[in-house]
Amino acid sequence: SAVISQKPSRDICQRGTSLTIQCQVDSQVTMMFWYRQQPGQSLTLIATANQGSEATYESGFVIDKFPISRPNLTFSTLTVSNMSPEDSSIYLCSVRTSAYNEQFFGPGTRLTVL
Amino acid sequence: SQQGEEDPQALSIQEGENATMNCSYKTSINNLQWYRQNSGRGLVHLILIRSNEREKHSGRLRVTLDTSKKSSSLLITASRAADTASYFCATVQTGANNLFFGTGTRLTVIP
Repeated sequence: SAVISQKPSRDICQRGTSLTIQCQVDSQVTMMFWYRQQPGQSLTLIATANQGSEATYESGFVIDKFPISRPNLTFSTLTVSNMSPEDSSIYLCSVRTSAYNEQFFGPGTRLTVL
Repeated sequence: SQQGEEDPQALSIQEGENATMNCSYKTSINNLQWYRQNSGRGLVHLILIRSNEREKHSGRLRVTLDTSKKSSSLLITASRAADTASYFCATVQTGANNLFFGTGTRLTVIP
């Protein structure tokens, strides 16, 4: 299984600011994803981070709000822009080595927006 | 978007008892995966079962899959207090790459 780290592990931010979350994997992976978990809820897929091209966003998520970068096969960033209290969630990076294999998750970034 | 639902939403049992959680999903799938999440922390991958498999075991875990009913179950035998967590099923739909999660079951094991 891949070892996934995320930075920061948690942050408290002011409304209207932006936060960039980093995801680092210890091996090259084909697929990287970003999820959001709102308090007391299940996980919702935000987007697929595509290496060298624009991310693929799920319905309800847009690039202007959640810009994503993936410069190589081991690293990705998710930015939460112009934050509001409704963005308070755990954000999780996730990876899979192929379409048919297990998918693993990072430890998450707990974001609180005041 | 969520692929399915889990039942029950919450389950409370005594240590040593077995715990069964059920997952239903909506479309044909490539595989189904079960995860555990301790309070507010990251997800731990438990087991993956492919669409052509009917049952898999891993330690005290037993997972079944019934594709005709679009459902799966997770059985934890001889539960321990440390099994207290939320459990999620997640599916990869046929022809797609994305993993979508169910609503989750909150399991409490009372010592």
